[in-house]
Amino acid sequence: NAGVTQTPKFQVLKTGQSMTLQCAQDMNHEYMSWYRQDPGMGLRLIHYSVGAGITDQGEVPNGYNVSRSTTEDFPLRLLSAAPSQTSVYFCASSYSTWGTEAFFGQGTRLTVV
Amino acid sequence: AQKITQTQPGMFVQEKEAVTLDCTYDTSDQSYGLFWYKQPSSGEMIFLIYQGSYDEQNATEGRYSLNFQKARKSANLVISASQLGDSAMYFCAMREGGGNNRKLIWGLGTSLAVNP
Repeated sequence: NAGVTQTPKFQVLKTGQSMTLQCAQDMNHEYMSWYRQDPGMGLRLIHYSVGAGITDQGEVPNGYNVSRSTTEDFPLRLLSAAPSQTSVYFCASSYSTWGTEAFFGQGTRLTVV
Repeated sequence: AQKITQTQPGMFVQEKEAVTLDCTYDTSDQSYGLFWYKQPSSGEMIFLIYQGSYDEQNATEGRYSLNFQKARKSANLVISASQLGDSAMYFCAMREGGGNNRKLIWGLGTSLAVNP
């Protein structure tokens, strides 16, 4: 099915480990973003991209890196995992046309111990 | 200050009744968009409805309608004829300005429980 594919769905990391959350979309969307969702805090923007080769920081970028080498893929890298990064992570994509909705991946539940 | 405020942490509604979920927003931009998303217990985010700041008519999508009151800066979601499957978290979100800004600002959500 077309849409946004996120992997893995669940992950447990030890403090200090690094990992990459994968995100791919097949809708040719220009705009892609990563959010984290924490209880009582809603969704907060980590990083976003308006097209291949262009990325920018969101509200909570520290501890995360992104790159956008293709239109389809937008991986999120945790450089050195910390317990504060325990969260549910969502990747989203949308067309650049104003007013179009964002399509979300299924989410990744990450626990850092 | 919160840009998106959802004042109802939890709501209950009887099956087949209508329910209104509140959302107020704060922006100085003339051009903005308002979105509602549903998040069931399975965790995925499902787009429900969109209202643009210049849209004169209230948006409707099936059983969902958006009660847009621009002067009051409110964008309440109305669900008619509630179903058990409507039990979920509901999030209001806003995109400000025009141009290339596609960032969404989110409220904290309202948990809706539909009782049989």
